[in-house]
Amino acid sequence: EIVLTQSPTTMAASPGEKVTITCHASSSVSYMHWYQQKPGASPKPWIYATSTLASGVPDRFSGSGSGTSYSLTINNVEAEDAATYYCQQWNYPPMNTFGAGTKLELK
Amino acid sequence: EVQLQESGPGLVKPSQSLSLTCSVTGYSITSNYWGWIRKFPGNKMEWMGYISYSGSTSYNPSLKSRISITRDTSKNQFFLQLNSVTTEDTATYYCARYARIYYYSSYIYYFDYWGQGVMVTVSS
Repeated sequence: EIVLTQSPTTMAASPGEKVTITCHASSSVSYMHWYQQKPGASPKPWIYATSTLASGVPDRFSGSGSGTSYSLTINNVEAEDAATYYCQQWNYPPMNTFGAGTKLELK
Repeated sequence: EVQLQESGPGLVKPSQSLSLTCSVTGYSITSNYWGWIRKFPGNKMEWMGYISYSGSTSYNPSLKSRISITRDTSKNQFFLQLNSVTTEDTATYYCARYARIYYYSSYIYYFDYWGQGVMVTVSS
């Protein structure tokens, strides 16, 4: 079973800063998905297949990575980006794994 | 537009069974895969299992002895049953649809539509 480790667990950023959230897989994987969740709402697909932004996601977001290390980056973070972000992978035998989440707060 | 809605009791007693329904509109459950995911207090997210377009299922090994996912195609609904619940099963339960995309010569899946979630508390 692949374990996904996200870092940091929580972070605070000021508007306009650059933010990077990382997801480390315990074994090499070929892609990573990311979801955004705000309090009281269901998760939303945010970035899929490592670097493809889901519909409606601002282009200040980007995703990258390969092997065991993947990241979600926000350039010029805005107040509306405050949320918890989860990485997720589907591996075999059919098993979907989530990271523990990174809570992003805006100062 | 694809919409999913979970329904079921918000309170279940320990040792009893938890039963939830996911009602889908705007898309047939005889296409794609359909999953259940839960989020525990404290933010941990756990995939529970899925049912496929053909009715085949796959479950998280940690739940395999307690979980069952079934469907009613005539109502376009799928169901979660979790047996012998404990307080550790207290969580918000989501149903979701898998999107399939072609990626570097194979198909990969992610969750593209989610229900709003239903909070289930296990308590006597």
